[in-house]
Amino acid sequence: AQKVTQAQTEISVVEKEDVTLDCVYETRDTTYYLFWYKQPPSGELVFLIRRNSFDEQNEISGRYSWNFQKSTSSFNFTITASQVVDSAVYFCALSEALDNTDKLIFGTGTRLQVFP
Amino acid sequence: NAGVTQTPKFRILKIGQSMTLQCAQDMNHNYMYWYRQDPGMGLKLIYYSVGAGITDKGEVPNGYNVSRSTTEDFPLRLELAAPSQTSVYFCASSYALAGGTDTQYFGPGTRLTVL
Repeated sequence: AQKVTQAQTEISVVEKEDVTLDCVYETRDTTYYLFWYKQPPSGELVFLIRRNSFDEQNEISGRYSWNFQKSTSSFNFTITASQVVDSAVYFCALSEALDNTDKLIFGTGTRLQVFP
Repeated sequence: NAGVTQTPKFRILKIGQSMTLQCAQDMNHNYMYWYRQDPGMGLKLIYYSVGAGITDKGEVPNGYNVSRSTTEDFPLRLELAAPSQTSVYFCASSYALAGGTDTQYFGPGTRLTVL
């Protein structure tokens, strides 16, 4: 069955520290997509990244980077030199291509608090 | 483009009351979704639609109904509100091509409390 696990419920760091948010997924599909969304205190969901299962290249976008490893079914998210504005709940999500409906299966989220 | 819009932003209902949560998108997306987010949890799919006139149940459909008469609108109906439906509701949409998965874009959410 498909599942997304974010084992870290809450992480607290001090500004400028690097922090990694873990995401482990389960799927029977060979073609699938992984996502990260950010939910700041204002409550909206902001799309960060989408990665398909055939593309294991790591991605970097400014201070954000993502490490996708099929061998361990993980799609981890690292914030370098964290800032107070990074404080939010971060969700990892999975969509399976076989499904044909693009439904997202979400993890329970990791709350990141960055202190000045 | 306004993207995905939801109304109302907040609502308090009494047990047994009914209401409709509105969702509209102006991105010409064919797929639309309703999720609910309970405190400390991820989002769970209530209903989805792959096009006008087509809807289907998600993981937690009980107590809800949907319709999709146009591409743009996807209202969610609560018929007999119960305290268990206290949650934040998110509408999302995506443009799905055959064999592909597109990114879902979310509305700002509706915070519903049932007392």
